[in-house]
Amino acid sequence: AQTVTQSQPEMSVQEAETVTLSCTYDTSESDYYLFWYKQPPSRQMILVIRQEAYKQQNATENRFSVNFQKAAKSFSLKISDSQLGDAAMYFCAYSPSNTGNQFYFGTGTSLTVIP
Amino acid sequence: NAGVTQTPKFRILKIGQSMTLQCAQDMNHNYMYWYRQDPGMGLKLIYYSVGAGITDKGEVPNGYNVSRSTTEDFPLRLELAAPSQTSVYFCASRTGTFPGEQYFGPGTRLTVT
Repeated sequence: AQTVTQSQPEMSVQEAETVTLSCTYDTSESDYYLFWYKQPPSRQMILVIRQEAYKQQNATENRFSVNFQKAAKSFSLKISDSQLGDAAMYFCAYSPSNTGNQFYFGTGTSLTVIP
Repeated sequence: NAGVTQTPKFRILKIGQSMTLQCAQDMNHNYMYWYRQDPGMGLKLIYYSVGAGITDKGEVPNGYNVSRSTTEDFPLRLELAAPSQTSVYFCASRTGTFPGEQYFGPGTRLTVT
């Protein structure tokens, strides 16, 4: 069974500081994709960043970057220069590439940004 | 583009009632998905479709049915609603190029009492 674990239900960060959200996953697949989604209070799910497992290089999108450790099955999200608008629930998700259609989400981390 | 739209936004059902949650997208995406999000939990896949006329079960399909007669629409049917189906339901779509970004609708909050 595929599982995604986010062990930090809540995190907080001072504005302009850096915060790292953790995610681990369990899979026997060798090729898959990992995602971080943001869900603000509006409930709209927004893709933040994605990583393909066969790529060694960590993905980066502006202030958002990941630390992908394939052997450890770890996929953490780093948010630099945190802004008030970053406050949201963050979900880690996994999808095996052999189906392209099964997506598994973690339980989420609620991020508070302190002014 | 309106993106992915869902109706209704909120609904209260009595136990045993049935209803259809509507989902439409105007991006000509082949792939569409239905998820449910229980309080304090992540999203769980209910059903998905890879194109008109083709649907398949996700992780939690029991108690639900879907159909996909057009590329644009992907309705989710709840038969004999149960309190365990109280949840927020999200519809999503994506292009055929995997992994391709999933575009989510705003969600439908359903309460079954």
